[in-house]
Amino acid sequence: DSGVTQTPKHLITATGQRVTLRCSPRSGDLSVYWYQQSLDQGLQFLIQYYNGEERAKGNILERFSAQQFPDLHSELNLSSLELGDSALYFCASSAADSYNEQFFGPGTRLTVL
Amino acid sequence: SQQGEEDPQALSIQEGENATMNCSYKTSINNLQWYRQNSGRGLVHLILIRSNEREKHSGRLRVTLDTSKKSSSLLITASRAADTASYFCATDEGAQKLVFGQGTRLTINP
Repeated sequence: DSGVTQTPKHLITATGQRVTLRCSPRSGDLSVYWYQQSLDQGLQFLIQYYNGEERAKGNILERFSAQQFPDLHSELNLSSLELGDSALYFCASSAADSYNEQFFGPGTRLTVL
Repeated sequence: SQQGEEDPQALSIQEGENATMNCSYKTSINNLQWYRQNSGRGLVHLILIRSNEREKHSGRLRVTLDTSKKSSSLLITASRAADTASYFCATDEGAQKLVFGQGTRLTINP
């Protein structure tokens, strides 16, 4: 158990819908990272927050957004969903920045029908 | 963008044998990390090697780093069935983010 929790574990929805994925980092970790893992694209970095502020951005679509709240939990919002958004979405946390090891949550499996 | 590229993509060996996986990357790095992922689960951090280190050990794991060749290798000795997983290298691409390779799928046969 990494100490990072993600909800929900599974999510099935339809194209055009909007969903919110939630992540709670390990106690004391200030950085939260979001990744998307699909068969064709591999593990792609989406975005990082550090102590409530956006720190780095990766291959995140404009339809996706994220935020980190004062209690350090984070939410990833996916809107106007497309079939290609079906993937595993992982959250990870670290004490500081990506130079340190990251602790991954169990992931949310999103299926868009 | 893909920074780390693992080789081979898949590896199948007998229990007790050693497994070696390689990773190549393109730009300069501060550190390189190896992670393991069991099927459909989150990644687990295995080891981090800094750019000024050449070799690091952790239990049955041995990681080497050659910055002149921009490559790293992960050796798992005396493999066990529980080592069956996908292994990823990850490099820091500046800008506070990790970039993962496509991974090596390791299968340990009993």
